[in-house]
Amino acid sequence: GIQVEQSPPDLILQEGANSTLRCNFSDSVNNLQWFHQNPWGQLINLFYIPSGTKQNGRLSATTVATERYSLLYISSSQTTDSGVYFCAVSPFTDKLIFGTGTRLQVFP
Amino acid sequence: DVKVTQSSRYLVKRTGEKVFLECVQDMDHENMFWYRQDPGLGLRLIYFSYDVKMKEKGDIPEGYSVSREKKERFSLILESASTNQTSMYLCASSLRQGAGNTIYFGEGSWLTVV
Repeated sequence: GIQVEQSPPDLILQEGANSTLRCNFSDSVNNLQWFHQNPWGQLINLFYIPSGTKQNGRLSATTVATERYSLLYISSSQTTDSGVYFCAVSPFTDKLIFGTGTRLQVFP
Repeated sequence: DVKVTQSSRYLVKRTGEKVFLECVQDMDHENMFWYRQDPGLGLRLIYFSYDVKMKEKGDIPEGYSVSREKKERFSLILESASTNQTSMYLCASSLRQGAGNTIYFGEGSWLTVV
């Protein structure tokens, strides 16, 4: 099956810093989503982005499908950005395969 | 807004007990999912349902069963709970089969089996 690797596994930032999270996947996909899990466990969908670039406020994401990777950019980070960021992919259905996540801690 | 509600946030059960985890969604979604989340392993799919009474095994179905008698409700059943099933369980739903549907998650159920 498809392998999903996320890097870095952990990231510590000071408020205001920018960061880039990476997701590599081992096969072609037509469904790729980024999620944020807050410290209380709630998973929120950030982007559906099987290809191209999208932006939502301070967050943006780019997927280069031909090279099998996706990037999540967080600009001017805030303490509320803390949590775990997951990338999830699927080749042809809604049954997503998740990476192991990047844990982000933002300090004031 | 879509709401996915998991009935129990925290449970402690004894080894061998039968455990029911209930999930309800209020947006008429066809697809419903049960994942478990463990440190270092991310989320792993246990079972998936794309319609009432329909189910498919995910990556780790052993020791679990599911029930979907109504479209809005998807239940995860641990027939005989074991300590290695201590985990966080996440229910999710999405609109219908086919790529591109945003998936919505419940808040999670933390299960401890002692």
